[in-house]
Amino acid sequence: TQLLEQSPQFLSIQEGENLTVYCNSSSVFSSLQWYRQEPGEGPVLLVTVVTGGEVKKLKRLTFQFGDARKDSSLHITAAQPGDTGLYLCAGRFTGYSTLTFGKGTMLLVSP
Amino acid sequence: NAGVTQTPKFQVLKTGQSMTLQCAQDMNHEYMSWYRQDPGMGLRLIHYSVGAGITDQGEVPNGYNVSRSTTEDFPLRLLSAAPSQTSVYFCASSFSTRDTQYFGPGTRLTVL
Repeated sequence: TQLLEQSPQFLSIQEGENLTVYCNSSSVFSSLQWYRQEPGEGPVLLVTVVTGGEVKKLKRLTFQFGDARKDSSLHITAAQPGDTGLYLCAGRFTGYSTLTFGKGTMLLVSP
Repeated sequence: NAGVTQTPKFQVLKTGQSMTLQCAQDMNHEYMSWYRQDPGMGLRLIHYSVGAGITDQGEVPNGYNVSRSTTEDFPLRLLSAAPSQTSVYFCASSFSTRDTQYFGPGTRLTVL
């Protein structure tokens, strides 16, 4: 079983602060995805990264894929209460067709 | 398009009862999958299907059966429910294993 570690598990911050969530493994990903999930709903895809060193931006969210394709990070600038939710990373390991999900980071942004 | 629909939204079972969780998609997606989500555990793959008539096991398949007779539907069957199957179940679909997966709203199952 391929393992995917996500940290931190919980994050409680004030509006306007910056934060970073990490996702890493000892194995190489062929691609990695970040999802956001709100209470009572299914996860929604934010971004997919496939190339080592790749950086993608989605408004105030910046996603990086490690050069060796074993890790990724999600950075949120000037967090807002609307960013509150569960953030999940999910990787497709080289040679596998299915996704492996991390345990998630629960983010709470207070006004 | 309705996307991915799941029924029921909530269900309470007694130990040993059987039931089927329904999942349907109207996007003509070939790939469909079932996940369970438990607190602090993320999403774990139960079963998946790459097309009608083809199914395969995921990470946690024990206690669950699936079939895929049509492209649109992918039901998940619990033959004899156990308290360990208390969870939130999500169905997802995509054009292929490498495309964006679209998730349903989930079914919250409690087994007493």
